[in-house]
This record gives sequence, C-alpha cells and structure tokens, in this order.
Amino acid sequence: QSVLTQPPSVSAAPGQRVTISCSGSTSNIGNNYVSWYQQLPGTAPKLLIYDNNKRPSGIPDRFSGSKSGTSATLGITGLQTGDEADYYCGSWDSSLSAYVFGTGAKVTVL
Amino acid sequence: QVQLQESGPGLVKPSETLSLTCTVSGGSIGSYYWSWIRQPAGKGLEWIGRIHASGSTNYSPSLKSRVTMSVDTSKRQFSLKLSSVTAADTAMYYCARGRVGLSGTRDFDVWGRGTLVTVSS
Repeated sequence: QSVLTQPPSVSAAPGQRVTISCSGSTSNIGNNYVSWYQQLPGTAPKLLIYDNNKRPSGIPDRFSGSKSGTSATLGITGLQTGDEADYYCGSWDSSLSAYVFGTGAKVTVL
Repeated sequence: QVQLQESGPGLVKPSETLSLTCTVSGGSIGSYYWSWIRQPAGKGLEWIGRIHASGSTNYSPSLKSRVTMSVDTSKRQFSLKLSSVTAADTAMYYCARGRVGLSGTRDFDVWGRGTLVTVSS
C-alpha cells in the first residue's frame, strides 16, 4: 500500500511538457529527500532525479524535479516517444523507518 | 561500475520460504544500505527492507514478521528470506544499492535486473 500518491497517467504530444505530482506527508517528503525513477517496459527502474532536484550523470536536462512542502513534482520537457514509461517517486518515511514509493504514473506520448 | 545480480529459485511452494541472493560486483559492499524491492506484475514498487554491511537492518512494517535479511561481506552478497509465502508474494524481486542520507535511504542508484519469483504448488 503506497504512502505517496501520484496520478495514474499523464499524456502529451511529442515536444510538449508534462508534470507528475507526488503527494506525501511531513514524515516522508516534508522532511526527507525525494527521488524519481523511470521504468521502461520490461526493465528495472532507473534513478532519474535524486535529492529532490539533482540529475545523475547521463540524465538529460529535459528531466527536472522540485519539492514544496509535502509534495514533489517531476517535469519532462521536449517529450519523446522514448519517454513512454512508468515513473515513481520515492522518499524515506521517518515515522515508518521505511522507504516508500509512489503509486506510479504512466506517461503516454500521443 | 557497480553491478548487482539476483539469484534464487524462480518457483516456490505456498507456505514455504522464498530465498534470494544478490551479488555485488565492481565495487565495495560497505558504506551503503542494500535493499530488496519487489513488483507484482502490472503493479507498483514495494520496498521490502534494507541491510548494511554491518548487519543493521530495517524492514517494511507490512512484511516485517516474515522477512529476514543477511549479509556476507567476504562474498559481497546479501540475501533475503521471506517466510510463509502465498500467491500474493509472486513478483519480480529487485536488489538495489541505497545511498544514505541524514535520515534513512536517500535513493537507489544501482539496481539489479530483477528475478521473477512465482509462488505456486
């Protein structure tokens, strides 16, 4: 049972921008780092954003992250067909002493 | 670069214990927390728990009563045991390297490819 809430799906045309929200609480997002993961079909998740808004080496700057209060947002600009994937947010939950993932959002390129 | 490889039986009978091992290559097993994460087909990610090279562990509250993790630093391996499995435990199981923050795990920067475990008689 996911503690972090994401929209089930988002979609846009190629070249457009999409945002994915991730809603949590003070025990997780509000007081801990948020990370984002991209899971292409049939593959393992890959770290996309860490420490709320940092990109690992090799991740294009079309991907961005932000956090405000108990919510976080992933943005993807210049949408490409290769961006079609499931995206998960995640954060440590200090009350549970456990890592929690979001419910996941499927990005579709129209 | 660091690579992770899961191994273990792909089929486990109901009520038995699921056992998986993750082998770390290309880097040290120290200084990180190593996690197990699972994903039933068509569903989201679920964190199972984590273990440090020192043996310190944290488990998901929902699975805590059935989970045991261990580490063998000499072999650069860490393991998962999940007891009393049912069909609901059928999933892809991933091992992952967790980077540590001031409070808990910050993120998972290296993932294994995953291993599918089916619970069926």
